[in-house]
Amino acid sequence: KNQVEQSPQSLIILEGKNCTLQCNYTVSPFSNLRWYKQDTGRGPVSLTIMTFSENTKSNGRYTATLDADTKQSSLHITASQLSDSASYICVVIHGDGGGSYIPTFGRGTSLIVHP
Amino acid sequence: DAGVTQSPTHLIKTRGQQVTLRCSPKSGHDTVSWYQQALGQGPQFIFQYYEEEERQRGNFPDRFSGHQFPNYSSELNVNALLLGDSALYLCASSPRTSGGTFFGPGTRLTVL
Repeated sequence: KNQVEQSPQSLIILEGKNCTLQCNYTVSPFSNLRWYKQDTGRGPVSLTIMTFSENTKSNGRYTATLDADTKQSSLHITASQLSDSASYICVVIHGDGGGSYIPTFGRGTSLIVHP
Repeated sequence: DAGVTQSPTHLIKTRGQQVTLRCSPKSGHDTVSWYQQALGQGPQFIFQYYEEEERQRGNFPDRFSGHQFPNYSSELNVNALLLGDSALYLCASSPRTSGGTFFGPGTRLTVL
């Protein structure tokens, strides 16, 4: 069964601190992995996209890593800001064998950044 | 490019009613997927449309149906609404060949 598990479920940090969010998956066949940021009541916005051959990818203060062997990914946020408070969702895209691609979503990590 | 757009933004219905949600995909995208996101949960895949046909379906009852039009826009219909259908409904579009997904802002459905 295709599954994406994220940890921790929630996280509270102080402004300026770093944090790392985890994502483990059992999705197959793997196409790519994405991290999204979702503000409350809004649609998710893509932060990073990683294919099988990529180990790390950065987008400003966000750095994602991927270990395709262990099927693990992490999202590291550097020098957190109040605007980083949101839900961070790990999504793994897999092919259905018929040319279509289906995302499987994790439940998200809720990050709260306090001043 | 306006990206993915959805309407309405918010909607309130009562149990047993029917609802139709609408989605216009990002320019150049031909595949539309719908998701249900309950409060505090990750999005759950409902179904995906390509070439005006339902191609994939998640674990949702037949009360959930959809349609895709020749211009790639899509509708999600939910019949016989239940209280548990209250959620944020997200539409996402992508080009079929990559799975690259862009989300709309969602429609917040409240069933009373």
